[in-house]
Amino acid sequence: DTGVSQDPRHKITKRGQNVTFRCDPISEHNRLYWYRQTLGQGPEFLTYFQNEAQLEKSRLLSDRFSAERPKGSFSTLEIQRTEQGDSAMYLCASSLAPENEKLFFGSGTQLSVL
Amino acid sequence: RKEVEQDPGPFNVPEGATVAFNCTYSNSASQSFFWYRQDCRKEPKLLMSVYSSGNEDGRFTAQLNRASQYISLLIRDSKLSDSATYLCVVNKPGGYNKLIFGAGTRLAVHP
Repeated sequence: DTGVSQDPRHKITKRGQNVTFRCDPISEHNRLYWYRQTLGQGPEFLTYFQNEAQLEKSRLLSDRFSAERPKGSFSTLEIQRTEQGDSAMYLCASSLAPENEKLFFGSGTQLSVL
Repeated sequence: RKEVEQDPGPFNVPEGATVAFNCTYSNSASQSFFWYRQDCRKEPKLLMSVYSSGNEDGRFTAQLNRASQYISLLIRDSKLSDSATYLCVVNKPGGYNKLIFGAGTRLAVHP
């Protein structure tokens, strides 16, 4: 499978714990995005990487959130001291720019904070 | 005002019906427009891009009105398999392709 893959698919954690999600984009894609989606809403932009450089972070991302993309390949999104309001689907997407604007999404990581 | 606004629905239609979804966007400088489809508990997938002249892909027709900052999607001869949430997506002008998603319109096609 050469699509975008995310791990884990589901994560249940207790409030206050740290969690880390991984995204492996399509191999030749240079752009990587993280979005968050809650029930009944569309995906909300969180952050964006061009290769290994993180070029934009949404104001939605508090200090508890950090994302990395070492070597411009896979990316990780870490949430520290999780809160119940962090419960959502975290979606990763990649694209090949500037040739193609189409975003390819992974299946997402569903986070539940108890 | 939200950057991208859609009627949330749900739209409940019988098979074979024609259904239209509307979307408005707030940034007049936006240049790229899309419709994505999202099935329940799945990731969004690109349905079609929207071009200024309007474009058609089989039973699906997309229209763009830049003056009114309005986008539409028309589905003809609805199939059961068209049941999904349809997301209106607009790019935010800037140095890269940042896409802003609407909340989606839910479609349920019944026999």
